[in-house]
Amino acid sequence: AQSVTQLDSQVPVFEEAPVELRCNYSSSVSVYLFWYVQYPNQGLQLLLKYLSGSTLVKGINGFEAEFNKSQTSFHLRKPSVHISDTAEYFCAVSGPGGGADGLTFGKGTHLIIQP
Amino acid sequence: NAGVMQNPRHLVRRRGQEARLRCSPVKGHSHVYWYRQLPEEGLKFMVYLQKENIIDESGMPKERFSAEFPKEGPSILRIQQVVRGDSAAYFCASSPRAGRTDTQYFGPGTRLTVL
Repeated sequence: AQSVTQLDSQVPVFEEAPVELRCNYSSSVSVYLFWYVQYPNQGLQLLLKYLSGSTLVKGINGFEAEFNKSQTSFHLRKPSVHISDTAEYFCAVSGPGGGADGLTFGKGTHLIIQP
Repeated sequence: NAGVMQNPRHLVRRRGQEARLRCSPVKGHSHVYWYRQLPEEGLKFMVYLQKENIIDESGMPKERFSAEFPKEGPSILRIQQVVRGDSAAYFCASSPRAGRTDTQYFGPGTRLTVL
């Protein structure tokens, strides 16, 4: 079985400041990792994913994440946030626990951008 | 270039009634996933279907819940004799291929309220 832990339920940040959203996972098998964003009353949109290769993954909207196997982490970062980044962010892994091909999600982190 | 469509967006049912949630995947996608999101929680995998087949229903409650993805038409998630605990947002996702690495594209969700 596998699990995903998002350590912060809410992260308030001032506009144009950097942000890091933390994600840790546990799995007994090789993992594929994803970050999704959910804007209010909308579905989830893929920000980025790590499958293999370079541990630094760049996604849409200026976000990037780094896979750290020794720390079992996949933290999401952005150097300068904008008010439009206010949303719920979900980290997810694929594989057992999310069905054969389903995803196992963390509980989400609400990113609040303050002007 | 339509994405995943779900209807209705909001559904209100009284205890004991039936709820039918519909999902039309991205055109050309033959893999559909259903997830449930309870308040303050991440998404939980329910079921994975391909056309006319249930591949993995390990996340589905054993009673009252069923899903189908017929050869023609949308995928349906059916909840019989709803209870208050079924109140949640139900998301459908689709992908073009099977496999843990493929991106899942999410619909906007159906928000079910059981009175």
